[in-house]
Amino acid sequence: QKEVEQDPGPLSVPEGAIVSLNCTYSNSAFQYFMWYRQYSRKGPELLMYTYSSGNKEDGRFTAQVDKSSKYISLFIRDSQPSDSATYLCAMRTGGGNKLTFGTGTQLKVEL
Amino acid sequence: EAGVVQSPRYKIIEKKQPVAFWCNPISGHNTLYWYRQNLGQGPELLIRYENEEAVDDSQLPKDRFSAERLKGVDSTLKIQPAELGDSAVYLCANSRDNTGELFFGEGSRLTVL
Repeated sequence: QKEVEQDPGPLSVPEGAIVSLNCTYSNSAFQYFMWYRQYSRKGPELLMYTYSSGNKEDGRFTAQVDKSSKYISLFIRDSQPSDSATYLCAMRTGGGNKLTFGTGTQLKVEL
Repeated sequence: EAGVVQSPRYKIIEKKQPVAFWCNPISGHNTLYWYRQNLGQGPELLIRYENEEAVDDSQLPKDRFSAERLKGVDSTLKIQPAELGDSAVYLCANSRDNTGELFFGEGSRLTVL
């Protein structure tokens, strides 16, 4: 079993839809949680960063962490075609920057 | 501020041939990483440098892979000899602190025939 599980998709939604992307993890030592966005043939870029359980909002994006369930989510409101990309969850324990990535979910937002 | 620069972007070689990838990091970002990303997978860490010191190379297949970071700036990753299973995107990343924010280059896509 992988430390981080993520549904690979692909996920196709119409423009304006609310998108929910999820990851589960098994290592209870993970404390910091991130979402990276990766466009086709590009490197990943950091989208959201959270620590501890709860919600964090940034524009149309909301990151949610539930440590008791070992479950994290990324919500995208009013999705746009420009949101079409692969979304990777990543997490780390307290020390250093050794990230463990999920497999990524491929999202396509259609006109 | 220039981002992380990697070259070559694409490389096609036959198995058993050597290949090298180069990374020029963001100025002042002292931590450098090499990741491998297989198709449909997330990046997996190969090696991490703090300045010129390799502080985590536990996932680097040392029988065929080698890396160096001269003077704590540019870095190269070499595979010799390449195998079919090495086909992947090799990503270089930098960080400037311990927040978990990594700045990735666009990657070097390797195809081994």
